[in-house]
Amino acid sequence: DAGVIQSPRHEVTEMGQEVTLRCKPISGHDYLFWYRQTMMRGLELLIYFNNNVPIDDSGMPEDRFSAKMPNASFSTLKIQPSEPRDSAVYFCASSLGGPQETQYFGPGTRLLVL
Amino acid sequence: DAKTTQPNSMESNEEEPVHLPCNHSTISGTDYIHWYRQLPSQGPEYVIHGLTSNVNNRMASLAIAEDRKSSTLILHRATLRDAAVYYCILSGGWGDKLIFGTGTRLQVFP
Repeated sequence: DAGVIQSPRHEVTEMGQEVTLRCKPISGHDYLFWYRQTMMRGLELLIYFNNNVPIDDSGMPEDRFSAKMPNASFSTLKIQPSEPRDSAVYFCASSLGGPQETQYFGPGTRLLVL
Repeated sequence: DAKTTQPNSMESNEEEPVHLPCNHSTISGTDYIHWYRQLPSQGPEYVIHGLTSNVNNRMASLAIAEDRKSSTLILHRATLRDAAVYYCILSGGWGDKLIFGTGTRLQVFP
């Protein structure tokens, strides 16, 4: 079992550029979560999907952020345009059941927006 | 969301037991107690969870107070690899999101 896979592991970009983060959940897991972690705000849930459908996006900071899950094995988190305050580590996680079930996290993508 | 309170940091020596406390005085009857940990430069990983009874697994033990207003994660013999931030989280059932607080940073000394 490869676990949750995220790419890229590191991303450095300039303000105003589009950033796309990618996630492959554990096969068979019906739930996928996107989190953001910063020193100031800790680990925050941005959005989660059930069977490829967004269920709760209340944590998405603003319209510059969007997430999609076109199929059961792939999800993207896009930031357009990016800003320096978006610099953070972005984690993807998946679970068999709902958000209350054990979540398995990926290694994260460390994003730096200059 | 029910809140938890944990010490900011704790220290331990290698091969000694570690007791990580968590207070959750406003816990409801349906809230599960979850523990996750985050090793340096890694994503959080599940450690253990329980409802009312004490729980054991290969990683740790979870001791839950009789009134459920507090719990303790027990690492029986700390290793250097156990140095991490430990999060105590309450989850009330289906659909209830995990809310990560600031956790306890555990340092383990050789």
